[in-house]
Amino acid sequence: QKEVEQNSGPLSVPEGAIASLNCTYSDRVSQSFFWYRQYSGKSPELIMSIYSNGDKEDGRFTAQLNKASQYVSLLIRDSQPSDSATYLCAVTLDRGSTLGRLYFGRGTQLTVWP
Amino acid sequence: NAGVMQNPRHLVRRRGQEARLRCSPMKGHSHVYWYRQLPEEGLKFMVYLQKENIIDESGMPKERFSAEFPKEGPSILRIQQVVRGDSAAYFCASSPDAGGSYNEQFFGPGTRLTVL
Repeated sequence: QKEVEQNSGPLSVPEGAIASLNCTYSDRVSQSFFWYRQYSGKSPELIMSIYSNGDKEDGRFTAQLNKASQYVSLLIRDSQPSDSATYLCAVTLDRGSTLGRLYFGRGTQLTVWP
Repeated sequence: NAGVMQNPRHLVRRRGQEARLRCSPMKGHSHVYWYRQLPEEGLKFMVYLQKENIIDESGMPKERFSAEFPKEGPSILRIQQVVRGDSAAYFCASSPDAGGSYNEQFFGPGTRLTVL
């Protein structure tokens, strides 16, 4: 069973704060890690990808990966009301025929209030 | 630079009818994935295709569901004899190269299927 776990939330933060989203995964051959943002009624939008241990920054977003502890996180600095959405964690496995498929968590709903 | 295109955006079918969902990948992308999102549930992988090849269909129900990605034209997900439980959002994603697991997948707008 390839499990990707996320806190379902909802997570509520004030505008300007740091929002911290966490994701754990169970399969140690997990290879690549992605964060998608999904607004209600819309499709997932890729916002970050990370492949090696450590931090990766892109604008207000920072992804952190710790393969030993099997978790990946997303920090959103200076949160804006427009960041209010569901954030999906996804992983791929480096294993045979499952190459390429994304395993998704159920998402964390984030609300940023003005 | 057009993104992933899907049509129709909304599809209503009665039980027992067929549903055909189409997906055109981003320009330069040769890998297509289909995912299903049931209400209040996460995205679930269904099938992975390249041109004229099904690479992995292990996430797709063996009955009533089929997928293809012909040499010319869009990828098609077909659901025969639809039932109410098939009502969901169906998303297509594409990537330029599976490259092992380092592919980034970009999603289309989805097809919302409602079965009456």
